[in-house]
Amino acid sequence: DQQVKQNSPSLSVQEGRISILNCDYTNSMFDYFLWYKKYPAEGPTFLISISSIKDKNEDGRFTVFLNKSAKHLSLHIVPSQPGDSAVYFCAASVIYGGSQGNLIFGKGTKLSVKP
Amino acid sequence: DVKVTQSSRYLVKRTGEKVFLECVQDMDHENMFWYRQDPGLGLRLIYFSYDVKMKEKGDIPEGYSVSREKKERFSLILESASTNQTSMYLCASSLWTSGAGNNEQFFGPGTRLTVL
Repeated sequence: DQQVKQNSPSLSVQEGRISILNCDYTNSMFDYFLWYKKYPAEGPTFLISISSIKDKNEDGRFTVFLNKSAKHLSLHIVPSQPGDSAVYFCAASVIYGGSQGNLIFGKGTKLSVKP
Repeated sequence: DVKVTQSSRYLVKRTGEKVFLECVQDMDHENMFWYRQDPGLGLRLIYFSYDVKMKEKGDIPEGYSVSREKKERFSLILESASTNQTSMYLCASSLWTSGAGNNEQFFGPGTRLTVL
């Protein structure tokens, strides 16, 4: 059963507009959420994270919002640029074995930003 | 900068061959991970290790084994490669935590393995 879900496999946005990528989760014990960006033939790179005790975290053009009651988070990119075209993975941090933290990843959303 | 390197970017093997994928990190991280990425399936955890000689099964360990003899090196072994193991393999590392913190993982560039 998927604990982290990204229901949109793809998203297409015009350059300069806002991109909104969504992620839902089922486990209320997740304590941190992360977004990764992945270009083809490269490994994922960390983009931004948010603690479960916050509802917003901002870093330049990237903002992540967390709605704990809805078990939903979203990544906003404003303004979108063609270089943002990539696959975006949502991940949740979970304690394993009492003291170890693993990440559980969603299936990803492919963002295409058109010039 | 954290650096995670993987021994090959592209690899082509035949069915039944034994395949070794090597991963090295230079940041003294305790935790290391092996994932595979397939279209529509995201990142799936194969094995992970939080200490030398320690290993834990992830979500899809069947057909794989791992070795961690040194802290900086984590190897993924396909004992007898099969065509359904054709995939992108990603290695990652992270600091050990007490459970708090974002457990950020740093990824290598990936190995695209094709099994014929």
